[in-house]
Amino acid sequence: QVQLQESGPGLVKPSGTLSLTCVVSGGSISSSYWWSWVRQPPGKGLEWIGEINHSGSANYNPSLKSRVTVSLDKSNNQFSLKLNSITAADTAVYYCSNSWPLGVWGQGTSVTVSS
Amino acid sequence: QSVLTQPPSVSAAPGQNVTISCSGSSSNIGNNYVSWYQQLPGTAPKFLIYENNKRPSGIPDRFSGSKSGTSATLGITGLQTGDEAGYYCGTWDSSLSAGVFGGGTKLTVL
Repeated sequence: QVQLQESGPGLVKPSGTLSLTCVVSGGSISSSYWWSWVRQPPGKGLEWIGEINHSGSANYNPSLKSRVTVSLDKSNNQFSLKLNSITAADTAVYYCSNSWPLGVWGQGTSVTVSS
Repeated sequence: QSVLTQPPSVSAAPGQNVTISCSGSSSNIGNNYVSWYQQLPGTAPKFLIYENNKRPSGIPDRFSGSKSGTSATLGITGLQTGDEAGYYCGTWDSSLSAGVFGGGTKLTVL
């Protein structure tokens, strides 16, 4: 059974870049799966951020597309999220997951944007 | 503003049944499978239903899903206090080429 674990800084300054990593265990990231990121602002609902597949093809939420990059690191069996030009509105719990319909989720990592 | 529309809250007594609706359009629910997720307070979402009405292993048959046209419904029978949680519908939107979720429904078991 695939397991996912997010990691990254809990506090990021406004206008900076948020970088998160998701380590995949119990399976190879080079499988046919897509790998996804989802976030949840405090007290709000889920927002799909984007996904990447084993070949490096990516899809992004149109509302975030200009600021988001999802990438693969096959050597370390992990994938990453970069979100630039961040503001307080990007404060959220960030989850990594597998391909749609998102059957496996990490525990989530909380990110606060503040100076 | 979520692409999919869910009621903000529903409530029912233990032992009763409840349904949660999820409304979309032809570009999402109308032409793609719907999934449902349960989120207990302070935890990650849990996969509850996929492909409109299928349950992953370990999910009790008290939980069911259905779809008709551009709407989907999650049903929960024999409510338990442990079912008190947020419930989200999700699907792929072919026009956006993106995953979309409903705004979530908070279930209160009175």
